[in-house]
Amino acid sequence: NAGVTQTPKFQVLKTGQSMTLQCAQDMNHEYMSWYRQDPGMGLRLIHYSVGAGITDQGEVPNGYNVSRSTTEDFPLRLLSAAPSQTSVYFCASRLNIGTGAFFGQGTRLTVV
Amino acid sequence: RKEVEQDPGPFNVPEGATVAFNCTYSNSASQSFFWYRQDCRKEPKLLMSVYSSGNEDGRFTAQLNRASQYISLLIRDSKLSDSATYLCVVNPRGPGANNLFFGTGTRLTVIP
Repeated sequence: NAGVTQTPKFQVLKTGQSMTLQCAQDMNHEYMSWYRQDPGMGLRLIHYSVGAGITDQGEVPNGYNVSRSTTEDFPLRLLSAAPSQTSVYFCASRLNIGTGAFFGQGTRLTVV
Repeated sequence: RKEVEQDPGPFNVPEGATVAFNCTYSNSASQSFFWYRQDCRKEPKLLMSVYSSGNEDGRFTAQLNRASQYISLLIRDSKLSDSATYLCVVNPRGPGANNLFFGTGTRLTVIP
């Protein structure tokens, strides 16, 4: 049982480059989300989805796009990378509101 | 004011000790509460949900005080393997219900 799978685990980007972080879950969860974790700030929600075809913004959405074409996949796109986007990114899924979330292994992104 | 506040620690305790972590949350309408553990450079993992009546899972006991907006985690008979950062997580009701709000974590080191 793979759970939540994220790729890549590490990435270095130059300022202005774009990239997509992949996330897939095999638990048939409707809710998926992307968080970033920065020192001293806890995890913060970037974007989330409550089902295929439905996405919405979280606390810190600027500079990121998402789409949800299937229940399983929820990619995060960085449109034009900035040093402020250097962070650890986690994808998560959960069965519904009120249940705990399961996280992918994370992507350590450095923007230079 | 932060949604969730935790004492960052660190807590350094000897093996076999009992240690307690506390957490306060600001949204009185919050509906679900969780404790996660996060090992260094790893993803957060769900430790336990926190129920109104309090709940126990082996050496771990979680308590919720809705009147004081306070959550606690008690670890008895600490093991070396308990060394990690413990995250308090709150799921609000209403407009923010799709988000999980994370504390910045309390770091625990269990010493031989």
